[in-house]
Amino acid sequence: DIQMTQSPSSLSASVGDRVTITCQASQDISKYLNWYQQKAGKPPKLLIYDASNLETGVPSRFSGVGSGTDFTFTISSLQPEDIATYYCQQFDDLPLTFGGGTKVEIK
Amino acid sequence: EVELLESGGGLIQPGESLRLSCVASGFTFSNYAMHWVRQAPGKGLEWVSVITSSGSSTDYADSVRGRFTVSRDNSQNTLYVQMNGLRAEDTAVYYCAKGGPVILYQFEDWGHGTQVIVSS
Repeated sequence: DIQMTQSPSSLSASVGDRVTITCQASQDISKYLNWYQQKAGKPPKLLIYDASNLETGVPSRFSGVGSGTDFTFTISSLQPEDIATYYCQQFDDLPLTFGGGTKVEIK
Repeated sequence: EVELLESGGGLIQPGESLRLSCVASGFTFSNYAMHWVRQAPGKGLEWVSVITSSGSSTDYADSVRGRFTVSRDNSQNTLYVQMNGLRAEDTAVYYCAKGGPVILYQFEDWGHGTQVIVSS
């Protein structure tokens, strides 16, 4: 199975800050990585697919880069509505696997 | 607009069985692979199973293989998972998620989930 190591597990930042989350795969997954946002009590929502493609309707302050084993997700200017847990997920092979999540809070 | 509505969750004793359903609308159900993903209380996301668009192929997480069976009825736009031999560690919110034309794809849309609690 492909292990996804996400860090940090939580972070606290101020409104307007740049926030960065990393995700490392245990083997080369090319660009087959997605990022999801999950707000409390809600289902996850797809934000980024294929490592760097912004899902339709998602604000441009969200972005993703990377390929191979190392990926980065960035919120360029943190907004109050971005409070959530963020997950990376690989779809290079079954079983599909998720990172452990990063809980983002406002300082 | 894509809608996925799960049902069938509840409180159940260890060892018993439960069938979850997910009714889909807003897209051509028979064109898409469908997944079940679960989330234990306070924990992260765990992929459970997938079924191809035609229903001809399935796969499972090792944690549920041999106990869970995923199926679909394309005439009714409905996805199912039959869960047998339930264990306390199966306690979770179960989400159905719309995949893509192939199994290895992003989860484009999610239902709101149905809660399964396995406890005596």
